[in-house]
Amino acid sequence: TQLLEQSPQFLSIQEGENLTVYCNSSSVFSSLQWYRQEPGEGPVLLVTVVTGGEVKKLKRLTFQFGDARKDSSLHITAAQPGDTGLYLCAGPRTRGANNLFFGTGTRLTVIP
Amino acid sequence: DADVTQTPRNRITKTGKRIMLECSQTKGHDRMYWYRQDPGLGLRLIYYSFDVKDINKGEISDGYSVSRQAQAKFSLSLESAIPNQTALYFCATSDAMGAGELFFGEGSRLTVL
Repeated sequence: TQLLEQSPQFLSIQEGENLTVYCNSSSVFSSLQWYRQEPGEGPVLLVTVVTGGEVKKLKRLTFQFGDARKDSSLHITAAQPGDTGLYLCAGPRTRGANNLFFGTGTRLTVIP
Repeated sequence: DADVTQTPRNRITKTGKRIMLECSQTKGHDRMYWYRQDPGLGLRLIYYSFDVKDINKGEISDGYSVSRQAQAKFSLSLESAIPNQTALYFCATSDAMGAGELFFGEGSRLTVL
């Protein structure tokens, strides 16, 4: 049973469009992280959200942690080809631990 | 040079062979991990180690073993490889005092025929 479900699994959009991807769980997490993985490379951390309802912005990327700390979303404004990659959410298996449980991922393709 | 280095980057082997994937890091982190990535399944934890004398099983440890030879080195072994162990394997490190960020290597693609 997957603790972190991501949707959609695949997303292909035109450059300049906006998009939102989701990370959902039936479990409460003390924090959630978002990683981006490009082809041939390992995942790289984008952001960590800790407080329920928290919103963090990273240039054109906006991350939100749900009030109940069971879900998170990533919104990208005016997507660019450089945003192409696999987006993974991850949460700690136990509170305070950093052996993370990863979601299934959303593979984003931004077409020029 | 990469902070987390994995060797080999690509390996093709046959069923029943013993395979070792090696990971070394220059970040000075105590914690090291081995993950496996399969399409549609995300990253799944195989083993992790919080220091040289500590080894812990992850969610899919069957068929795998690990060795933490030093703070900077963590190797993953497949004693008798089977085709369903074909996957992309990632080593990662983290700082015990940090906010939980994982630093990944570039991955080792293993194909078992």
